[in-house]
Amino acid sequence: AQSVTQLDSHVSVSEGTPVLLRCNYSSSYSPSLFWYVQHPNKGLQLLLKYTSAATLVKGINGFEAEFKKSETSFHLTKPSAHMSDAAEYFCVVRTGGYNKLIFGAGTRLAVHP
Amino acid sequence: KAGVTQTPRYLIKTRGQQVTLSCSPISGHRSVSWYQQTPGQGLQFLFEYFSETQRNKGNFPGRFSGRQFSNSRSEMNVSTLELGDSALYLCASSLPDAEGRNEQFFGPGTRLTVL
Repeated sequence: AQSVTQLDSHVSVSEGTPVLLRCNYSSSYSPSLFWYVQHPNKGLQLLLKYTSAATLVKGINGFEAEFKKSETSFHLTKPSAHMSDAAEYFCVVRTGGYNKLIFGAGTRLAVHP
Repeated sequence: KAGVTQTPRYLIKTRGQQVTLSCSPISGHRSVSWYQQTPGQGLQFLFEYFSETQRNKGNFPGRFSGRQFSNSRSEMNVSTLELGDSALYLCASSLPDAEGRNEQFFGPGTRLTVL
């Protein structure tokens, strides 16, 4: 069965410093992996996705993630945090077929001046 | 292109009542999925509809049901509401593909409060 574990429920960084949000996955299939962001009172927005092409995936707003099969990880990074990055981030795996997404518990990112 | 729209945005109901939520997908999208988001359980998959057929279902009781119309619009219904059904209900649409690798676009959600 597919699952994702987000290793940190809260991450706090200073503006201008790097961001690292950690995610491990479990999948019997070649997984499709995603990172979504949810700002307060907003819907979910796709940051980036991995679908078995390049292992380093670049997304919107300067975010990127690296798929590491040997470590079953898909960590999200950004070189320099901005105040507008404060939000909740979800690591997501799609099951072998169709559109059933399995969400991690989420990581709340706080960015301090 | 208009995004996924959900109506109503907010609902207040009492225990035992039933509720119907509506979702209009992005034009051309034929797959619609529903998710429940609560502080305790996080985001959980409810079901997915494609071409008016439910083709995937999550682990929710039969009180939760849905349907899809020929124009791809979808509704979900919750009968005999319980306090624990209070949640943000999110709808997502995507272009269909055989491998299910297309991005899902989410609507803003319907906030349901059960008193």
